[in-house]
Amino acid sequence: AQKVTQAQTEISVVEKEDVTLDCVYETRDTTYYLFWYKQPPSGELVFLIRRNSFDEQNEISGRYSWNFQKSTSSFNFTITASQVVDSAVYFCALGGYNQGGKLIFGQGTELSVKP
Amino acid sequence: NAGVTQTPKFQVLKTGQSMTLQCAQDMNHEYMSWYRQDPGMGLRLIHYSVGAGITDQGEVPNGYNVSRSTTEDFPLRLLSAAPSQTSVYFCASSYGITDTQYFGPGTRLTVL
Repeated sequence: AQKVTQAQTEISVVEKEDVTLDCVYETRDTTYYLFWYKQPPSGELVFLIRRNSFDEQNEISGRYSWNFQKSTSSFNFTITASQVVDSAVYFCALGGYNQGGKLIFGQGTELSVKP
Repeated sequence: NAGVTQTPKFQVLKTGQSMTLQCAQDMNHEYMSWYRQDPGMGLRLIHYSVGAGITDQGEVPNGYNVSRSTTEDFPLRLLSAAPSQTSVYFCASSYGITDTQYFGPGTRLTVL
């Protein structure tokens, strides 16, 4: 079965703290894709990153970084020096050719960054 | 590029009414899909299309109908609205089924 688990329902940090959002997935596919989306209070879904299963290289984009580990089926997302504008719900999602394009979303982690 | 657009942004219906949620994209994407977002349930796939004239059911298709007569448009029809269809509806598109899906701004639907 395909499944994405985001065990952290809510996280609250103070501005400038680093924060890591956890994502654990389950799949029997050998080729799959992992995504992170951000949903700010305004409600839209904003794409952050896409990672192929055969590319375990970690990625950094400004204050954002992602750690993909196939051995533990995890794709964690770290925000360095968090800012109030990072407050949002963050979704991890799993997709693949065998899913017909269907994205399987985790339940989301609500991040609150306080000034 | 406008990206993925959805109309209306908000809608209130009475039980039994029908309506169509509009979705359009100007990125020449072949793949389009509809999701609904409910509290505690995450996002779930309703219907999808891999190209004009081709549609298929997702995880929660009951009560919804789709068609894809053009590459750009993928409307979602509620045949007879029920309170259980109160949700936020997102349309998404991508070049192919494994490419990044870009979402529209969403439609918040309330069925009384």
